[in-house]
Amino acid sequence: GAVVSQHPSRVICKSGTSVKIECRSLDFQATTMFWYRQFPKKSLMLMATSNEGSKATYEQGVEKDKFLINHASLTLSTLTVTSAHPEDSSFYICSARVQGQNGYTFGSGTRLTVV
Amino acid sequence: SQKIEQNSEALNIQEGKTATLTCNYTNYSPAYLQWYRQDPGRGPVFLLLIRENEKEKRKERLKVTFDTTLKQSLFHITASQPADSATYLCALDRSRNTGTASKLTFGTGTRLQVTL
Repeated sequence: GAVVSQHPSRVICKSGTSVKIECRSLDFQATTMFWYRQFPKKSLMLMATSNEGSKATYEQGVEKDKFLINHASLTLSTLTVTSAHPEDSSFYICSARVQGQNGYTFGSGTRLTVV
Repeated sequence: SQKIEQNSEALNIQEGKTATLTCNYTNYSPAYLQWYRQDPGRGPVFLLLIRENEKEKRKERLKVTFDTTLKQSLFHITASQPADSATYLCALDRSRNTGTASKLTFGTGTRLQVTL
């Protein structure tokens, strides 16, 4: 089946630094990818919709200058958390929908810890 | 305001029994509803999709019902096994309400624990 490969799975960074998370669609092209964050024992909150070749669409309340999204090819979307702070520590997950299939395919997630 | 609620944060059942999870929503008019399984530290995995004109959908030991009048979906796992222990999430496509491209909004999740 369709796979979305997400890296890294875990990252620890210092406050003030930036972290990049990658999501690749394997064996299919993803013109659109979705980025979520999830706090412990909470549900997934959609942060933004990443569109290949154009600007991402951010959900209300999400700072686009803090969470930079780039979708430069049909198989790769990246989320960069800029000037990270401890409150940015969370589980970040990407997803994409395979055309013609029900449901969305999710990456395995990235656990970000900012110290 | 729009809400998707799964009214049991946690559910403990014995192996072999049927687990029933509930998803209620308000102020949505979803064209379809989806259920996902999420294991700790992992991304969700798609299980089933049911459309607004379908009452019931089955897949192996899983069954989903969808009542658009009650604004409720029920998710059943029959003959439950310890391996079914996970968090189960319902999700709605809110594009019909927002006029935007398809995107999912998730419920709060129910953590199912199946014991021997």
